[in-house]
Amino acid sequence: QSVLTQPPSASGTPGQRVTISCSGSSSNIGSKTVNWYQQLPGTAPKLLIYSNNQRPSGVPDRFSGSKSGTSASLAISGLQSEDEADYYCAAWDDSLKGPAFGGGTKLTVL
Amino acid sequence: QVQLVQSGAEVKKPGASVKVSCKASGYTFSGYHMHWVRQAPGQGLEWMGWINPNSGGTNYAQKFQGRVTMTRDTSISTAHMELNRLRSDDTAVYYCARLSWGPEDYWGQGTLVTVSS
Repeated sequence: QSVLTQPPSASGTPGQRVTISCSGSSSNIGSKTVNWYQQLPGTAPKLLIYSNNQRPSGVPDRFSGSKSGTSASLAISGLQSEDEADYYCAAWDDSLKGPAFGGGTKLTVL
Repeated sequence: QVQLVQSGAEVKKPGASVKVSCKASGYTFSGYHMHWVRQAPGQGLEWMGWINPNSGGTNYAQKFQGRVTMTRDTSISTAHMELNRLRSDDTAVYYCARLSWGPEDYWGQGTLVTVSS
């Protein structure tokens, strides 16, 4: 069981907007910033969103993040086939004294 | 540019130990904690612990305490993760990562450790 809770799967058709949720607690999301990662098959995770809603250089603005209380969300607009991947949320956890990860959401582009 | 290059794949028998290395370049090795994260086949990311390369101090996830040891060699900018008493459910890809809560976040390429009799 992961510290942060994500839905195991999500799907959408090309051009649609999809959102992926991430639920935590006061020791992580409630008091810390959230990162989102994209992982393509056979590769290391890639940082997609940091500080809840900031995009690293090179990440398309189709990807956006938000946080409210002890939950966070990743939104992908204008869905493309290459967005099919696994997505993970992460936040520092004061109890762990380390990062907590979500269990991951597999996004399928129909 | 920042790079984390890990050692190659390993095949181990149950009960054995494995040591995975992670060579850092492109930044001041002692300036950033190094984390270890693993991913079992078809599963999610699991944080194992971190090492402070400057002091050598460590913090391990409770699940791995007593079985994992993280060390570093600052002379060659390399971090190591040793996992003992391997079981079949330790079969996973092991990543070293310079995690960040800012825009710069770096991961090694991963090392597959297979535990099989």
